[in-house]
Amino acid sequence: QVQLVQSGAEVKKSGASVKVSCKASGYTFTDHYMHWVRQAPGQGLEWMGWINPNSGDTSYAQKFQGRVTMTRDTSISTAYMELSKLISDDTAVYYCAREKEGLTWGQGTLVTVSS
Amino acid sequence: QSALTQPASVSGSPRQSITISCTGTSSDVGSYNLVSWYQQHPGKAPKLMIYEVTKRPSGVSNRFSGSKSANTASLTISGLQAEDEADYYCCSYARGTSYVFGTGTKVTVL
Repeated sequence: QVQLVQSGAEVKKSGASVKVSCKASGYTFTDHYMHWVRQAPGQGLEWMGWINPNSGDTSYAQKFQGRVTMTRDTSISTAYMELSKLISDDTAVYYCAREKEGLTWGQGTLVTVSS
Repeated sequence: QSALTQPASVSGSPRQSITISCTGTSSDVGSYNLVSWYQQHPGKAPKLMIYEVTKRPSGVSNRFSGSKSANTASLTISGLQAEDEADYYCCSYARGTSYVFGTGTKVTVL
């Protein structure tokens, strides 16, 4: 079955960067886009962007352009999301989600940004 | 890209039916049959309930159904059960290769 296993929780200082990984299994990694979505505490879901694991092409939400970088390593079926210049408002659970007839989600990674 | 508009809360008694609306624009919901719905229980990852407006993934109860008219998509839960109490989010493809989520609706089973 499809599984997306994300890296563990992170605590970062304001101004730092964080890189979250998402290891896929149970399907051909390069066949489906991978999205990243975040959810601040008590808030709704916010789409951040996607990566085409086959080509490496990306599309980012305007809000995050210049601060987010999505990459992948096809040899280990893993997608990455790096967010730079962190501020306290970036404190959230970050999800990866495979796109195939809707989104199938990883378990989430809590990123806490402290000043 | 602004979030799609959903009611903050919807409630119903067991065995009743409820409908959650998701209003967008002609740049997203109105132009593409790529609306999906997600259920999220507290502390859990979202779960896909409906994709491409009306389609139900394998394993999802047929009590869940989706529809769309113009710029508004809807999720209907029939025969409401206690386990349906959760947050629900719609999501749509939007012009410019982006996606947008709804504001979220808390469903309460009375």
